[in-house]
Amino acid sequence: GENVEQHPSTLSVQEGDSAVIKCTYSDSASNYFPWYKQELGKRPQLIIDIRSNVGEKKDQRIAVTLNKTAKHFSLHITETQPEDSAVYFCAASNTGGGNKLTFGTGTQLKVEL
Amino acid sequence: GAVVSQHPSRVICKSGTSVKIECRSLDFQATTMFWYRQFPKQSLMLMATSNEGSKATYEQGVEKDKFLINHASLTLSTLTVTSAHPEDSSFYICSGKTSGGGGEQFFGPGTRLTVL
Repeated sequence: GENVEQHPSTLSVQEGDSAVIKCTYSDSASNYFPWYKQELGKRPQLIIDIRSNVGEKKDQRIAVTLNKTAKHFSLHITETQPEDSAVYFCAASNTGGGNKLTFGTGTQLKVEL
Repeated sequence: GAVVSQHPSRVICKSGTSVKIECRSLDFQATTMFWYRQFPKQSLMLMATSNEGSKATYEQGVEKDKFLINHASLTLSTLTVTSAHPEDSSFYICSGKTSGGGGEQFFGPGTRLTVL
């Protein structure tokens, strides 16, 4: 099955700095890679996703890059704000093979004033 | 966007009792629903996948006789934790997916189960 690794487990940045979270996956059949933000006790919130036919996607302060050859994808948050503090999860799935999402282990992001 | 609700949001029960959690897609037809479990400070772990009208497919290590899943309609799936024990205490989250689409799942708000 799919295995997704995520680093770092914790990340502390100063407000206004950038934050980068990296994930690797093992199954070359995976073709859908969403990123979620989860606040304590809440549901995961989709913040951006990328499909395997695209190498990069950007939405305002958030961007995701995908390297299919190396099987890794990254989340970039620029101009971080205190409200960005949360746990972030990457995930991978094969939309043609059951759509099961395999989640990374999560990154606790803390944006300090 | 697509909305998924879960009920109850919190439940406390005694060891040995059964608890049913409902997951509803409010504005779309969820041909596939997924059930996840999340322990404190851990990631979401898929428990099972259910397709409307079919038996659920359970992930390795998840007891199908303990975690009963029913997906009787395109808008409702239920998870029943039978003979709950303290180690079943967790955050249970469902998600729904349409038949088409590109893989996006819509998550419910989760149910916090505490077994005393």
